[in-house]
Amino acid sequence: GAGVSQSPRYKVAKRGQDVALRCDPISGHVSLFWYQQALGQGPEFLTYFQNEAQLDKSGLPSDRFFAERPEGSVSTLKIQRTQQEDSAVYLCASRGGTLTEAFFGQGTRLTVV
Amino acid sequence: RKEVEQDPGPFNVPEGATVAFNCTYSNSASQSFFWYRQDCRKEPKLLMSVYSSGNEDGRFTAQLNRASQYISLLIRDSKLSDSATYLCAVNGHNQGGKLIFGQGTELSVKP
Repeated sequence: GAGVSQSPRYKVAKRGQDVALRCDPISGHVSLFWYQQALGQGPEFLTYFQNEAQLDKSGLPSDRFFAERPEGSVSTLKIQRTQQEDSAVYLCASRGGTLTEAFFGQGTRLTVV
Repeated sequence: RKEVEQDPGPFNVPEGATVAFNCTYSNSASQSFFWYRQDCRKEPKLLMSVYSSGNEDGRFTAQLNRASQYISLLIRDSKLSDSATYLCAVNGHNQGGKLIFGQGTELSVKP
């Protein structure tokens, strides 16, 4: 497809379970971003990749959160030992160049029960 | 204090009304400014970038006030289809395109 694709769209995890969220950016887009959006809030920055290099991970809330983009295209956000406060929509965005628009995927809605 | 702040609303307005949203930012080094629109349970989509001189796109006008560190969005002749959450976002120098979003302002346009 032409847009940013995220999977799964919905994920229910039991507390303590590990989850992996996938992002397929727009082909050729160098920059990739992960955001977390809680209900009623704006997206909060988690981490940023330029190609395969993770240049900024200042927004990751704890060491339970880990992201990778090993070949500079698809990215995975992994959350270990999920907690209820991790329940949110996880949005991925990609961008082709420095001054170009970032496009968002539809997000993965994670519910931890 | 959050780096980017918006009145969450909701703003309930009749069709045809003019409505304005403000957004303040605390980092004076912020360089790029944007308004995004987010429909319920959908992803944010860029509505417009905000330039120093102000810019207009049809019924939408965006303004930037660097001295007071706020941006605004004006919607004229509002339509039912304008109902959504409007997010402001800022990007700082050498931040690699990382956007800092406000909480979002909910707009509901009624017939």
